[in-house]
Amino acid sequence: NAGVTQTPKFQVLKTGQSMTLQCAQDMNHNSMYWYRQDPGMGLRLIYYSASEGTTDKGEVPNGYNVSRLNKREFSLRLESAAPSQTSVYFCASPPGSFATGELFFGEGSRLTVL
Amino acid sequence: GIQVEQSPPDLILQEGANSTLRCNFSDSVNNLQWFHQNPWGQLINLFYIPSGTKQNGRLSATTVATERYSLLYISSSQTTDSGVYFCAVNSGGSNYKLTFGKGTLLTVNP
Repeated sequence: NAGVTQTPKFQVLKTGQSMTLQCAQDMNHNSMYWYRQDPGMGLRLIYYSASEGTTDKGEVPNGYNVSRLNKREFSLRLESAAPSQTSVYFCASPPGSFATGELFFGEGSRLTVL
Repeated sequence: GIQVEQSPPDLILQEGANSTLRCNFSDSVNNLQWFHQNPWGQLINLFYIPSGTKQNGRLSATTVATERYSLLYISSSQTTDSGVYFCAVNSGGSNYKLTFGKGTLLTVNP
């Protein structure tokens, strides 16, 4: 049982290049989230998907697109990477209710845009 | 949107000492969580505590929702407690659109 798996763990891009970050969860959760973390900051929500087939913008969606491919997978795409998108990206998946409250994070993907 | 402030921003302790971390938030919340980010970047959920008190080993947390603050207590600190502690809240909706504070960087020296 891997929980939340993100790939790749590290990536270096040049300005203007595109790439996709992949996230998969094996816990049969409905919702999935993408956050970014910048130095000295907490995490900020980019996009989320409350259920398969739905996606919504978070706090900082500009420059990103997402796809909820199926219940397990939620991808984050940078169409034209910019240095401001240098960050650590975390995918997260919570259970269906707040009863347990536990939010499962992936290990993070460190992206550098030159 | 809701504002989350954590204090202190940095804290250095000797192993065995106790500490209290504070999280203030600007609006009523229906979800408040404490997370620990270890030096390798891994995020671990410590407590889901929108109100009341919980304890888990050497860690405990208290949220006073009416006064809009939460406290995380670490007793008998160990070097493995080092890392960044985040408070995150949600003020509406049944989802995890959490707003994070900037964290408290804790360093526990042997």
